[in-house]
Amino acid sequence: GDSVTQTEGPVTVSESESLIINCTYSATSIAYPNLFWYVRYPGEGLQLLLKVITAGQKGSSRGFEATYNKETTSFHLQKASVQESDSAVYYCALGDHGNKLTFGIGTRVLVRP
Amino acid sequence: NSKVIQTPRYLVKGQGQKAKMRCIPEKGHPVVFWYQQNKNNEFKFLINFQNQEVLQQIDMTEKRFSAECPSNSPCSLEIQSSEAGDSALYLCASSPGQGSYAEQFFGPGTRLTVL
Repeated sequence: GDSVTQTEGPVTVSESESLIINCTYSATSIAYPNLFWYVRYPGEGLQLLLKVITAGQKGSSRGFEATYNKETTSFHLQKASVQESDSAVYYCALGDHGNKLTFGIGTRVLVRP
Repeated sequence: NSKVIQTPRYLVKGQGQKAKMRCIPEKGHPVVFWYQQNKNNEFKFLINFQNQEVLQQIDMTEKRFSAECPSNSPCSLEIQSSEAGDSALYLCASSPGQGSYAEQFFGPGTRLTVL
């Protein structure tokens, strides 16, 4: 079946430092899955951060960006300068064409002020 | 912010009891998904609907789990005979449609504890 592997947390960074969360995927049900990053802020529900549906393209939102790399089957999430408000759990996910999502186990990010 | 409503937020059942949770999708969203997130943060897709019709479901759902999305009523997920391993966060998501551009909007979840 499909699977997603991402950086094991927690990841602790200081404000204004850079952040990278690695994500690799294995898609057996579909050749070109859709790729997503979801985020769960403290006390809130899961929400979409960004998505990319075309290999080679980059998605960006709220200062985060991720590039769909089919050669390395990766979709790493990066931010050049984090803020305390970026403290959250980040989930990498892939979707098939029926939109069923396969998630990674999440990476908890703690940003120190 | 998502407008998917899930009730109850917390549910406590004994082993063998029925557990039922409900979901009201965002207005105008015909596609509804159910996922289970266990204590290890692992997600498992359970079932999805378009309007009242099942699109995809996993084998587990076909046994003790049942789900429906009746017209003009909340969607529901019911576990006929709860087991300790069913303790998890059950997430409902809705989407305006199928296809690559259709985003899923998640509710806050129902946390089920089976004693």
